[in-house]
Amino acid sequence: QKEVEQDPGPLSVPEGAIVSLNCTYSNSAFQYFMWYRQYSRKGPELLMYTYSSGNKEDGRFTAQVDKSSKYISLFIRDSQPSDSATYLCAMSYNTDKLIFGTGTRLQVFP
Amino acid sequence: GAVVSQHPSRVICKSGTSVKIECRSLDFQATTMFWYRQFPKKSLMLMATSNEGSKATYEQGVEKDKFLINHASLTLSTLTVTSAHPEDSSFYICSVQLAGSYEQYFGPGTRLTVT
Repeated sequence: QKEVEQDPGPLSVPEGAIVSLNCTYSNSAFQYFMWYRQYSRKGPELLMYTYSSGNKEDGRFTAQVDKSSKYISLFIRDSQPSDSATYLCAMSYNTDKLIFGTGTRLQVFP
Repeated sequence: GAVVSQHPSRVICKSGTSVKIECRSLDFQATTMFWYRQFPKKSLMLMATSNEGSKATYEQGVEKDKFLINHASLTLSTLTVTSAHPEDSSFYICSVQLAGSYEQYFGPGTRLTVT
């Protein structure tokens, strides 16, 4: 079993839809959770960073962490075609290393 | 966040030659940088952790004599792929870590093609 599981998609939604992206993990020691957005042939861009459980909101993006279920989510409201990218979850447990999910490819069509 | 650059953005080299990739932290001093490799439609695979002024720490299965890492200053780390082979063709990405945080900020990546 991989430490971090993420559905690769692709996830295709119409413009304006609410998008839900998710990751599950197996190691209860993970404390730090991140979401990255990666456009094709570019480096990942940090979107959200949360510590432990709870919600964090930034504009159209909301990150949720449920440590009891070992489940994290990223919600995108009012999705735009420019949101079309691969979204990677990443997590860490008190070390420098990040463990990445495989990424979910999102396509938002006009 | 931090601004990270990489050079070159893409490079094509012949089998058997060596290629150097530079990673620069443009707006803050990075004691720790990371090197990743990414295959098409796959996630990032950590290759090594680069610490300024000391030897890099390589992940299991990564040949340290093939992938030479030098972190000579707080703003520059280099990855040299020695005696490159076609199977080394990949997207190489570096990242920097803010001191006291687990956040990592990534460079734009370097696409290496070995012919």
